[in-house]
Amino acid sequence: AQSVTQLDSQVPVFEEAPVELRCNYSSSVSVYLFWYVQYPNQGLQLLLKYLSGSTLVKGINGFEAEFNKSQTSFHLRKPSVHISDTAEYFCAVSSPRNTGKLIFGQGTTLQVKP
Amino acid sequence: GAGVSQSPSNKVTEKGKDVELRCDPISGHTALYWYRQSLGQGLEFLIYFQGNSAPDKSGLPSDRFSAERTGGSVSTLTIQRTQQEDSAVYLCASYVRGLTDTQYFGPGTRLTVL
Repeated sequence: AQSVTQLDSQVPVFEEAPVELRCNYSSSVSVYLFWYVQYPNQGLQLLLKYLSGSTLVKGINGFEAEFNKSQTSFHLRKPSVHISDTAEYFCAVSSPRNTGKLIFGQGTTLQVKP
Repeated sequence: GAGVSQSPSNKVTEKGKDVELRCDPISGHTALYWYRQSLGQGLEFLIYFQGNSAPDKSGLPSDRFSAERTGGSVSTLTIQRTQQEDSAVYLCASYVRGLTDTQYFGPGTRLTVL
């Protein structure tokens, strides 16, 4: 079975400050890892994904994440956040060996303050 | 349009009524998923369709829930005898395995059971 834990339910941060949203996963098989963002009253949008290869993955809107297999982590980072980054962020895992269904974490609400 | 579409965007129903939610996937995407997003449970996988294969129904919460996919394209999620705990946002995603290994989500249907 696979599971995802997002360690922070809410992360308040001031504009232009750096931010890290933490994600740990558990899986007995190889995994694909994803971060999705959900803006208020909107659907899920893919930020970035790790399938294979380089463990540092760059996504849209200046976000990046690093896959750490030994620590089973996939933390999301941005060096300088904007007010417009205020949203809910979901980490998810799937396996290339099964149906590809996504197992999501509980989400982290990023609150960017002026 | 080129994205996943869902209808209706909002549905209010009375307890005990049946509802049907529709998903139009991206043209050419052979895989289709339904997820549910609720306050108490977060984002949960419901059901998966891949081509002509038998669907993976392992995420359906009860036998009141069913789904079908006609002609390998449009999918309908049906909830019979709705209960208040069925209130949630129902999300559909479509996917092409091996191309981008990315699920593209629709905007969702917000279901409210009174």
